[in-house]
Amino acid sequence: AQTVTQSQPEMSVQEAETVTLSCTYDTSENNYYLFWYKQPPSRQMILVIRQEAYKQQNATENRFSVNFQKAAKSFSLKISDSQLGDTAMYFCAFSSSNTGKLIFGQGTTLQVKP
Amino acid sequence: DGGITQSPKYLFRKEGQNVTLSCEQNLNHDAMYWYRQDPGQGLRLIYYSQIVNDFQKGDIAEGYSVSREKKESFPLTVTSAQKNPTAFYLCASSILKGGGTEAFFGQGTRLTVV
Repeated sequence: AQTVTQSQPEMSVQEAETVTLSCTYDTSENNYYLFWYKQPPSRQMILVIRQEAYKQQNATENRFSVNFQKAAKSFSLKISDSQLGDTAMYFCAFSSSNTGKLIFGQGTTLQVKP
Repeated sequence: DGGITQSPKYLFRKEGQNVTLSCEQNLNHDAMYWYRQDPGQGLRLIYYSQIVNDFQKGDIAEGYSVSREKKESFPLTVTSAQKNPTAFYLCASSILKGGGTEAFFGQGTRLTVV
């Protein structure tokens, strides 16, 4: 069975600085997808970034980038130039190409301080 | 506007009663999912469905039931067998059976047992 683990329950960062959120996962599959979602206080889930396992190149979306290490089963999220609006809970997620099952980690609460 | 709608936003249930949470999407998505989120916790998968008239148990299916009679609808019933049903419930949908595309989420239903 697949699992997703986020080992940092809470993190904080000063505005304009860079922060990295960690995620590890476990799977025996070779083809899968990984995601980072953001859940602000409104509780609406928002996709931040997506990575296909078959792509070696790390995905980037503006200030957000990932460090995907397939062999280590690691998928960290880097947020550059942190903004107050980045304050939210961040979830790492795994999607199986075989079953379509989509599972999430425990989440990391990020606070950006002015 | 296309989207995914959960209703009601707040729901109160007496102990021993079954209650059904509604989830409707007009995005023409194949896959639909139900998650439970407890305070400060991650999203735990209850059930998911890739096609009409078929669904699979997630990690915490006990005490819950679902149906997928129409592509647009994936209602979740919380039965009296669910020992601790008070939680925030999120429904999601995605376009591909094999995963890999963004999951869109509803606004959630907050269920409280009184």
